[in-house]
Amino acid sequence: GQQVMQIPQYQHVQEGEDFTTYCNSSTTLSNIQWYKQRPGGHPVFLIQLVKSGEVKKQKRLTFQFGEAKKNSSLHITATQTTDVGTYFCAGSGGGSNYKLTFGKGTLLTVNP
Amino acid sequence: EAEVAQSPRYKITEKSQAVAFWCDPISGHATLYWYRQILGQGPELLVQFQDESVVDDSQLPKDRFSAERLKGVDSTLKIQPAELGDSAMYLCASRRSRLGTEKLFFGSGTQLSVL
Repeated sequence: GQQVMQIPQYQHVQEGEDFTTYCNSSTTLSNIQWYKQRPGGHPVFLIQLVKSGEVKKQKRLTFQFGEAKKNSSLHITATQTTDVGTYFCAGSGGGSNYKLTFGKGTLLTVNP
Repeated sequence: EAEVAQSPRYKITEKSQAVAFWCDPISGHATLYWYRQILGQGPELLVQFQDESVVDDSQLPKDRFSAERLKGVDSTLKIQPAELGDSAMYLCASRRSRLGTEKLFFGSGTQLSVL
């Protein structure tokens, strides 16, 4: 079945440093979504990428979808303490039910 | 903004007991999911409903887990009997349709501890 791998598992940065998490799928994806889960909270939708090579920005966050639609990345510029949490990618391979497979996530901690 | 409601927020039970979790999705959301999230892992799909029908329960341990969404609105997930390895966060999520481009809205989850 479809597998989505995410690295790194953990990342600790000083406030102001940049952060990147990478997501790789074993199969070609129809689209990929990114979610953020704050400590003690539930996943919250951030963004969706659909097109090959797509790049989207949300303030300090930049999301990319690979040309082959098998990988994606999330980059945060100049991290802040409010960025703390676990970032998950979730890929959909299409099919009749559009099953969304989540990666294991990257836990970001920020030292003020 | 409308939210997915889940209860209880926490549940402590002894192994071999029965437990049940409830979820009320956002009004009008036809697709409902139950996920299990172990600490430090991503959500794993247990069951997906489209209206009142199960469309994917391939990862649901059917010997002990059951799920229903009788009127196509709220849903119940049951475990009987609970085992130590069932300790996890159980998340309910919904979206307007099962189209892959729709985003998921998650509830706050039920944290289950099996002693």
